[in-house]
Amino acid sequence: QQPVQSPQAVILREGEDAVINCSSSKALYSVHWYRQKHGEAPVFLMILLKGGEQKGHEKISASFNEKKQQSSLYLTASQLSYSGTYFCGTEDHGDYKLSFGAGTTVTVRA
Amino acid sequence: GAGVSQTPSNKVTEKGKYVELRCDPISGHTALYWYRQSLGQGPEFLIYFQGTGAADDSGLPNDRFFAVRPEGSVSTLKIQRTERGDSAVYLCASSLHQGRDTEAFFGQGTRLTVV
Repeated sequence: QQPVQSPQAVILREGEDAVINCSSSKALYSVHWYRQKHGEAPVFLMILLKGGEQKGHEKISASFNEKKQQSSLYLTASQLSYSGTYFCGTEDHGDYKLSFGAGTTVTVRA
Repeated sequence: GAGVSQTPSNKVTEKGKYVELRCDPISGHTALYWYRQSLGQGPEFLIYFQGTGAADDSGLPNDRFFAVRPEGSVSTLKIQRTERGDSAVYLCASSLHQGRDTEAFFGQGTRLTVV
């Protein structure tokens, strides 16, 4: 079951903040966040596990609400390099297989 | 190599032809995944290997698609009797081991165009 991401797109000025949301209709075991720049491979950002453990980059933060089956990725004090499409991948069967959302395109302007 | 390598980077083929897409994972990574990404969409799971065996092939769309990883390293995705709907970017990813707390490293993909 593919998770739903919102918003579809966001435009920011450097230094502004944004939140990207990822929702699933199923109970989740883990949520993985990736960023993909045009024509490039998706790059790992963060893993959030059932039970609260997180693993990822220091400058990226995220939350995982297990009861609501939702995760949010927080872009704080955005930089030009934050531009790209952000995907959440959710594991909902306990089988290590990820279903990815359609992505949120972030554009950061100077 | 330093990262996941996929070849070719681009492949144009005629409808009905057979194609093979290759993935070279990061050395020592036991888990390998194939995804398909259409324009404007997120990666769609196809199959994953733990070692040499296909641990889960439930994402393969039909029996025209097949993947192997005979020695637990390089993997080949094979598509028979290609159709225009198979056109997409095929992504390969590898991770150190199977596990939900393990990050996956993606290759740059093979862009397949069926004409």
